[in-house]
Amino acid sequence: TQLLEQSPQFLSIQEGENLTVYCNSSSVFSSLQWYRQEPGEGPVLLVTVVTGGEVKKLKRLTFQFGDARKDSSLHITAAQPGDTGLYLCAGANNQGGKLIFGQGTELSVKP
Amino acid sequence: NAGVTQTPKFRVLKTGQSMTLLCAQDMNHEYMYWYRQDPGMGLRLIHYSVGEGTTAKGEVPDGYNVSRLKKQNFLLGLESAAPSQTSVYFCASSYVRLGGIQYFGAGTRLSVL
Repeated sequence: TQLLEQSPQFLSIQEGENLTVYCNSSSVFSSLQWYRQEPGEGPVLLVTVVTGGEVKKLKRLTFQFGDARKDSSLHITAAQPGDTGLYLCAGANNQGGKLIFGQGTELSVKP
Repeated sequence: NAGVTQTPKFRVLKTGQSMTLLCAQDMNHEYMYWYRQDPGMGLRLIHYSVGEGTTAKGEVPDGYNVSRLKKQNFLLGLESAAPSQTSVYFCASSYVRLGGIQYFGAGTRLSVL
């Protein structure tokens, strides 16, 4: 069974701080996606990384896929209260388009 | 743009009651999924469908049944609800390709007393 371990589970920081969320597995994934979920809503895709070592930037968010395609990280620079939410990583394998989700990181950014 | 629509948004059931959750998508996606989300456990796949008339079991299928009679609809049924099925249920859809982006509905919050 493929598993994705996400850490930390909870993160409470002040506005302006930097943070990194990690997503680790012992399995190789063909791609890895990051979603953000706000209370009362479904997850919404932020980014997909496909190539080992790939780095993608989305404004203040930087996503990296590990060289071996087993892990990924999300780094947020100068966090803002609007970044508050649940961040989920999800790995894609070759089984019918299914995604394996991590447990999620609950981020709270206080003004 | 409707995207993925789930009904109902909230429901309270008594143990042993049955209900059906409806998911409708207007993006002509082939793949559809039902997940449950519990605190600290991320999203766990219940059942999924790779096309009209097909269904398959996911990670946690026990106690649930599904049907995909029309391409745009995916129904999740609970025949005899149990308190362990208290959760938030999400439906998602995606194009036919490996690791495709999944588009989620807003969820159904179900409590079983």
